[in-house]
Amino acid sequence: DAEITQSPRHKITETGRQVTLACHQTWNHNNMFWYRQDLGHGLRLIHYSYGVQDTNKGEVSDGYSVSRSNTEDLPLTLESAASSQTSVYFCASSVGPNNEQFFGPGTRLTVL
Amino acid sequence: QKEVEQNSGPLSVPEGAIASLNCTYSDRVSQSFFWYRQYSGKSPELIMSIYSNGDKEDGRFTAQLNKASQYVSLLIRDSQPSDSATYLCAVSVGNKLVFGAGTILRVKS
Repeated sequence: DAEITQSPRHKITETGRQVTLACHQTWNHNNMFWYRQDLGHGLRLIHYSYGVQDTNKGEVSDGYSVSRSNTEDLPLTLESAASSQTSVYFCASSVGPNNEQFFGPGTRLTVL
Repeated sequence: QKEVEQNSGPLSVPEGAIASLNCTYSDRVSQSFFWYRQYSGKSPELIMSIYSNGDKEDGRFTAQLNKASQYVSLLIRDSQPSDSATYLCAVSVGNKLVFGAGTILRVKS
C-alpha cells in the first residue's frame, strides 16, 4: 500500500546543530508539504513543493530549508537549530495543491 | 482576522448525541474544504472533503458547506467515546490549504 513515512520519529539535539528530517512518500504525489504543530498555533506551513526542483516558502520558513531532487522525498533541514524550533513536524502530500493532503506520522523534535 | 477560525472548545457531548463542529473562513474564492481528525499524539487523518454547497454524508459524519456565509460544519451523529479527538478544518486558500487551530471534542460515556 502507498504510504508516507517520516524519520526519525523522535529527535533530541542541541542548539546550533544542523538537523535533517526525512519525508518519503510512495503515493507518487507531485505536491509535498512540511508543517509544524505547536499548542495554540495549529498546523503552520514551513515549506512546500509542487514537483521536482520546485520549492516554496510557507508562513514560518525562517531557519528551515528543503530540497526536492525526486518525486518521493522532501527532506527538511534546520540549518542551526534553535530552542524555538522545538515542535512536532508533519510532512504531507497531495495530488494537487487544493486536494486533500495525507499526513505522515510526525517527528517530535526537541532542541536543548 | 484569521483565515480559518474554529472554536477551540472543548466541546463536550454525551454518548449517542450529535456533535456539531463549526468553521468559518475569510477567502471568498476558496473551493476545497476538508475535515481532519487528530487523536492525541497522532497525525491528522482525513475524514471528510466537500467542494459544493449543501450536505455530504458519509456514515455517521455529515459535512455542510455554505459558501455565501463562508462556513463549513461537521456533524457527528451517535457520538462515541472513540470520537474524542481534535477536529481540524482545512480550506484551500490560493494554491495551499490553511488549517484552523482545531476544536477539541470530548464524548462522555
